Amino acid sequence: QTPLTQPASVSGAPGQSITIPCAGTSSDVGGYNFVSWYQQHPGKAPKLMIYDVSNRPSGVSIRFSGSKSGNTASLTISGLQAEDEADYYCSSYSTSITPWVFGGGTKLTVL
Amino acid sequence: EVQLLESGGGLVQPGGSLTLSCAASGFSFGTYAMAWVRQAPGKGLEWVSAINDRGSPNYAHSVKGRFTISRDNSKNTLFLEMNSLRPEDTAIYYCTKDAGYSSGWYGDYWGQGTLVTVSS
Repeated sequence: QTPLTQPASVSGAPGQSITIPCAGTSSDVGGYNFVSWYQQHPGKAPKLMIYDVSNRPSGVSIRFSGSKSGNTASLTISGLQAEDEADYYCSSYSTSITPWVFGGGTKLTVL
Repeated sequence: EVQLLESGGGLVQPGGSLTLSCAASGFSFGTYAMAWVRQAPGKGLEWVSAINDRGSPNYAHSVKGRFTISRDNSKNTLFLEMNSLRPEDTAIYYCTKDAGYSSGWYGDYWGQGTLVTVSS
């Protein structure tokens, strides 16, 4: 069981928008703004997409946005493109037994 | 261009030891925190350990007391010494560079990973 909870899969058609939730607790997501999102294509290393809940690193498309409400963070991808098909992981600082935790990952399928 | 090249992975028996290395280039290595993240075959990501620019380490509960992270800033190299290895430590181990955006840990560059297999 992973510390942060994500749906195993989501899907959407090209051009549509999807949102991936990441549920935590007040000891991680809800208590701190150190939430990030990573994209991982098969056989590749992860890529940082969002940091500090809602900031995009240089070079990341504006179609990717992050937010947080209470103990749940969310990644929204607008204008879905075929290249967005990948696994997405949320991560947060935590005051539990491990300082940085990940969600179990969500497989995005672009229909 | 930032490059991170891991080495040292391989097959080891349960209870054995292994040391991973990560050769860094393309940035001022000594001024950034570095970390190791692993991924078991077909599974999700797991943060393992990090070390800040001053050499202060942090560990995941699952490896604390068995793994030791260190760095040699003169050689631009990050290490992970792994002892008392268990089958559940089997994973691809990624070396990552912290982005330095804020007080949070964010891996903005990742190596291609090195596979560690713990099996008899």
